[in-house]
Amino acid sequence: SQQGEEDPQALSIQEGENATMNCSYKTSINNLQWYRQNSGRGLVHLILIRSNEREKHSGRLRVTLDTSKKSSSLLITASRAADTASYFCATDAGGAQKLVFGQGTRLTINP
Amino acid sequence: DAGVTQSPTHLIKTRGQHVTLRCSPISGHKSVSWYQQVLGQGPQFIFQYYEKEERGRGNFPDRFSARQFPNYSSELNVNALLLGDSALYLCASSLDPMGGYTFGSGTRLTVV
Repeated sequence: SQQGEEDPQALSIQEGENATMNCSYKTSINNLQWYRQNSGRGLVHLILIRSNEREKHSGRLRVTLDTSKKSSSLLITASRAADTASYFCATDAGGAQKLVFGQGTRLTINP
Repeated sequence: DAGVTQSPTHLIKTRGQHVTLRCSPISGHKSVSWYQQVLGQGPQFIFQYYEKEERGRGNFPDRFSARQFPNYSSELNVNALLLGDSALYLCASSLDPMGGYTFGSGTRLTVV
C-alpha cells in the first residue's frame, strides 16, 4: 500500500516559474525524502528532512514538513527545462527499514 | 567513486523462467535494498539487506529471493516469472539503513 500520496499527479509550467508539489502520508515517520526520476530510470536523492525539522533548503529546492498534518511540500524555484522529471516523496514508514513511495508528480517545464 | 551499478540494464525473459539481477553498492555502503517499479507507479519495496542479513521484506511472493555477499554486493532472484513481473527493478545502497539512499539506474525486465 502507498504511504505517501503526491499532489498533483501532473504539473506543467513555464520555464522560470516556481513548481510546488505536495505529499501526504498516513503513519508517523522518522524522516521524509524527495527523489527525482528522469525517463523511468534511476532515482536521484534530492533532500531528506527529519521529523524534528520544519524546513530545509538545497539550492533551488525548498522542502517543508508539517508532522501535525502529515504532509510535506517540495518547491522548485526558477524552474528549468532540465527539471522535467517525476518527483516522488518517500517515508520510512514509522521506523521500518524500507522506503514507502507515493505515485509521484510528473513535472513538465515548457520552454 | 562509482555509483550503484546494476546489471544487466535490460532483460527479456519468457514466462516460467528464472532471472537473477545484480547490484554493486557504493564502496563502503553496507545496506542494499531492492525495489520494483511498475510503469506509472512509485517503487515498491522488496528487500533490504544490511551486513549480509535480511532486515526487511516487502509484500512479495516467495518466488522473490535475495542475498548479500561479503563484499556487500547483492543479487535478486525471481523464479517462475509471470507477465506481471515486468517492471524496472531498482537497487539502492546507503551507509545507514535509516538515511538517504543512492539508487542505481535499474534493470528493465520484460516478461513475454
